[in-house]
Amino acid sequence: EVQLEESGGGLVQPGGSLRLSCAASGFTFSDHYMDWVRQAPGKGLEWVGRSRNKANSFSTEYAASVKGRFTVSRDESQNSVYLQMYSLKTEDTAVYYCTRSDGSGYIAYWGQGTLVTVSS
Amino acid sequence: DIQMTQSPSTLSASVGDRVTVTCRASQDITSWLAWFQQKPGKAPKLLIYKASSLESGVPSRFSGSGSGTEFTLTISSLQVDDFATYFCQQYKSYPLTFGQGTNLEIK
Repeated sequence: EVQLEESGGGLVQPGGSLRLSCAASGFTFSDHYMDWVRQAPGKGLEWVGRSRNKANSFSTEYAASVKGRFTVSRDESQNSVYLQMYSLKTEDTAVYYCTRSDGSGYIAYWGQGTLVTVSS
Repeated sequence: DIQMTQSPSTLSASVGDRVTVTCRASQDITSWLAWFQQKPGKAPKLLIYKASSLESGVPSRFSGSGSGTEFTLTISSLQVDDFATYFCQQYKSYPLTFGQGTNLEIK
């Protein structure tokens, strides 16, 4: 069974940093693209960033709104993917979901999400 | 960026109704489209990928169609469990983008 478990959310001040973690299990981690998707309170879904699989050298892509501030990385030995967030803004407040993509890159599985609140 | 526009934003329907949600892309995405269902306080769940492929375990009353720029999600006979918010998403190019959502309410 595919499981994705996020952790690391919380309250942070504007300009601060936070690292989210996602522990994956139930599948061969290195075979899959992993994405982060966020959802501001009462709003829609926004894709944040992607780490491709081993066959694609774990290369990354980012949304323009976070590029240069957020970094997606992964640790194959821990079957984990991370979202390092710097220079946080109030508009980064959201539930952050860790996801696994399949096939041609569609998001197939979602974690339960972790809430990040950026506020003074 | 490819913009995804869903209609309607809200849909009121009754159990047993056939409902259709439309998703339009601002440029050709061939069939690289997914549909998700989200219930309050829960993570989204994949229903359809590649425009018309039903995800394993999803009831057959859900179906997807379309290609290019216009797509539809159809629920053939609404069940109580289907009242939720539905999102489309393109994965043709980066950034991946979602529609704004369609809230399916009980009439």
